[in-house]
Amino acid sequence: GENVEQHPSTLSVQEGDSAVIKCTYSDSASNYFPWYKQELGKRPQLIIDIRSNVGEKKDQRIAVTLNKTAKHFSLHITETQPEDSAVYFCAAIFSGGYNKLIFGAGTRLAVHP
Amino acid sequence: NAGVTQTPKFQVLKTGQSMTLQCAQDMNHNSMYWYRQDPGMGLRLIYYSASEGTTDKGEVPNGYNVSRLNKREFSLRLESAAPSQTSVYFCASSEGAGVETQYFGPGTRLLVL
Repeated sequence: GENVEQHPSTLSVQEGDSAVIKCTYSDSASNYFPWYKQELGKRPQLIIDIRSNVGEKKDQRIAVTLNKTAKHFSLHITETQPEDSAVYFCAAIFSGGYNKLIFGAGTRLAVHP
Repeated sequence: NAGVTQTPKFQVLKTGQSMTLQCAQDMNHNSMYWYRQDPGMGLRLIYYSASEGTTDKGEVPNGYNVSRLNKREFSLRLESAAPSQTSVYFCASSEGAGVETQYFGPGTRLLVL
């Protein structure tokens, strides 16, 4: 079935450390993988996305890697700051009449000063 | 440019009552979506509208109906609210129905007693 699994569900790091969140997906035809950040009480906002024709994409302190063979992708945040504390969601496009996003269950990241 | 707006922000209903959640976007997007967010379960698609005049079911459509009133507006109706529908509801929009970035509204927090 259509499924995106996300790990870990919670992650606690010290300021300045790196954080890695991993997701796996079930549909080998998926070709678009966005990551959303949701601060407490706010809406999800896109922070980075990757399409299947590339293996890695960077934007300042965040990067996403994609392994299509293994059907997994990861979010990497370097030099974490307290303002990175939020819930992060991965998602993947599933086809079949209509391209719809299926989200992972989320990772609550806490960055401690 | 307000992006995606939703009303109301918060609502309390009694079991069996009905209500309509409103969503509007001013980005001239073709596709619109309704999600619900429950703790530990990420975002789940209720209904979507790929383009004006079309609507279709997502992962969890039972107990809901939608109307794509025009290109800007997409409403979600609960005909007979149940406690299981207590959730945060997010509307989103994207340019098209393909691998497009989805932009979320601020959410409606619904409590059904």
